[in-house]
Amino acid sequence: GAGVSQSPRYKVAKRGQDVALRCDPISGHVSLFWYQQALGQGPEFLTYFQNEAQLDKSGLPSDRFFAERPEGSVSTLKIQRTQQEDSAVYLCASSLAAGLDSGANVLTFGAGSRLTVL
Amino acid sequence: AQSVSQHNHHVILSEAASLELGCNYSYGGTVNLFWYVQYPGQHLQLLLKYFSGDPLVKGIKGFEAEFIKSKFSFNLRKPSVQWSDTAEYFCAVILIGYSSASKIIFGSGTRLSIRP
Repeated sequence: GAGVSQSPRYKVAKRGQDVALRCDPISGHVSLFWYQQALGQGPEFLTYFQNEAQLDKSGLPSDRFFAERPEGSVSTLKIQRTQQEDSAVYLCASSLAAGLDSGANVLTFGAGSRLTVL
Repeated sequence: AQSVSQHNHHVILSEAASLELGCNYSYGGTVNLFWYVQYPGQHLQLLLKYFSGDPLVKGIKGFEAEFIKSKFSFNLRKPSVQWSDTAEYFCAVILIGYSSASKIIFGSGTRLSIRP
């Protein structure tokens, strides 16, 4: 597609429920990133995929968070047993090449999935 | 810890005023620097980036930023703002050679409000 697509745009979950957030990156983009943006804060890195390989998951806040990208395109971020502190906007971004060190390689962000945990 | 600091949380200006938003980072090595903008209800968009070369970089919509290595700064400027510049602005950095070189680190953002 023309941009990075995320669904659902809005999700309300009761505490303890599991949620799954989907990201459709730009077709052909090798790199895919997930970020968490709490209210009034900047995006915080969660995890990074290069094709289907998850090369960096250092930002995942707990083992309740899990991300996958099994075929190197669509990615899913899953949060198990949601807690109120998980409420945030979850941003997905993709870029054409591997890594971000090239001047030509920049991130394109999706609109985000806003998760509210009651 | 490596970080990006944006000291202005909320800036209010009148139309035609000049703008400067501060950004500082803490890392002694090579960096790549970015400014992103998020207009109300829209997704993050790249305003401009610095990777190497001329430290004064020009971006879209009349914005520019200057990388001053000695001050660890990358301030965003615009000589004359418009009402349509109302948005949230994020400074971001890639730390080259650091273990986290695969990710962009964002500041906490500056909300810019322009009075018509």
